[in-house]
Amino acid sequence: TQLLEQSPQFLSIQEGENLTVYCNSSSVFSSLQWYRQEPGEGPVLLVTVVTGGEVKKLKRLTFQFGDARKDSSLHITAAQPGDTGLYLCAGVEMWELSFGAGTTVTVRA
Amino acid sequence: DTAVSQTPKYLVTQMGNDKSIKCEQNLGHDTMYWYKQDSKKFLKIMFSYNNKELIINETVPNRFSPKSPDKAHLNLHINSLELGDSAVYFCASSPSGNEQFFGPGTRLTVL
Repeated sequence: TQLLEQSPQFLSIQEGENLTVYCNSSSVFSSLQWYRQEPGEGPVLLVTVVTGGEVKKLKRLTFQFGDARKDSSLHITAAQPGDTGLYLCAGVEMWELSFGAGTTVTVRA
Repeated sequence: DTAVSQTPKYLVTQMGNDKSIKCEQNLGHDTMYWYKQDSKKFLKIMFSYNNKELIINETVPNRFSPKSPDKAHLNLHINSLELGDSAVYFCASSPSGNEQFFGPGTRLTVL
């Protein structure tokens, strides 16, 4: 059973548009992480959110953690082709990560 | 300068064979992991290894066994390979169980 559900599964947008990816959990995790994976590479950590209601910004990326610490979103403003990749959310408990199925984002030039 | 490295990058082999994938990290991390990423990109943890304590995902067949010769290495041995073992396998390491640093992956194809 998958603990983390991501939506949408695929997202294709034009350069300059905004996008939002959602991650919903049936469980509460001690923290939640977002990773980005490019083809042929391993995932790379973008951010860790810990506190319910937390909002973190990383340049054009905004990450939110729900008040109940069971859901999160990633919003990209003015997307660029370099944002293309597989975005994965992961719930953290002890030493282990539980990943969502990922959202494949394609930004067309 | 590579933080987490895996060899080989690609592995093509016949059903029934035994194979190994090597992983090394030069970050001084205490915990190492193996993940399997299937064709739908779903990443599933297989093992975590910390201070000689091995935690196994109960869904992993016992044909898979991790071996850690020292703190910097966690190799993955697979016996009697099956078609369903075809996937990309990622090694990762972590200093505290929080941020994980992933290797570049090994694409295993079983024919």
